[in-house]
Amino acid sequence: GDSVTQMEGPVTLSEEAFLTINCTYTATGYPSLFWYVQYPGEGLQLLLKATKADDKGSNKGFEATYRKETTSFHLEKGSVQVSDSAVYFCAPPVYGNNRLAFGKGNQVVVIP
Amino acid sequence: GAGVSQTPSNKVTEKGKYVELRCDPISGHTALYWYRQSLGQGPEFLIYFQGTGAADDSGLPNDRFFAVRPEGSVSTLKIQRTERGDSAVYLCASSLGTGQTQETQYFGPGTRLLVL
Repeated sequence: GDSVTQMEGPVTLSEEAFLTINCTYTATGYPSLFWYVQYPGEGLQLLLKATKADDKGSNKGFEATYRKETTSFHLEKGSVQVSDSAVYFCAPPVYGNNRLAFGKGNQVVVIP
Repeated sequence: GAGVSQTPSNKVTEKGKYVELRCDPISGHTALYWYRQSLGQGPEFLIYFQGTGAADDSGLPNDRFFAVRPEGSVSTLKIQRTERGDSAVYLCASSLGTGQTQETQYFGPGTRLLVL
C-alpha cells in the first residue's frame, strides 16, 4: 500500500546550520504533500504544503518542493535557530478521505 | 478563534476499564479525524467523520474501539476493556470538509491515555 518514508534517527545540529530532512513516498500521485511540526509541549501544526507536482511550499524559512519524478518532498532550511527544535512529520493526505499518512517523524535538536 | 480542544488532557485507567475521550472541533468544521500516536511514532489514522457519519473507520484497531459524533460537532472516542497496548496519545483534528486534498487539518493537544 501507500507509504511514506522519512530519514532515520534524530538530527542534531548547531544554530545557523543547514537542515535537510528527507521524505519519500511510494504512491503514484498523492494529490498534495504536507509537512507538520510538533514543538515541545504543543500540538501538531501545519508547517507547509504543496498542492501539486513541482509546487514549492514555504513557511518560517522552511521550504519543500513536491518532486514527482523522484517521489520526494524533502524539507530544507538554510539557517536553523534553537526555536526550530521540534519533531517534523511528512504527511501526505490519502485520496478519498484526506486522512493524513504520517511518516515516523524526525526529532530535530538545534544547539546554540 | 478557539482551536480544537480535547478532554481530558490525561487519563490513567486500569486494564479492562472503559474510557471516553472527547473532542471539540473548530466551529463550522464538518470533517473530524481521530489519530493515535504511540511513543516515537507518527500519528496513525483511526476514524474520519464527515458531519454526523463515520465515513471511514478502517483505522480502528478492533471492535473495542468506537466513536460517535451525534450532532456533527463534538465527537467521543470510546474504548472498551482497555488493554496496556492502548496506551498512547489520542489526537483529534478537524477541517472545513470541502473535500479538497490541500485542506489543512487542525489538531488538538491530544489526550494522553495510560492503561495500567
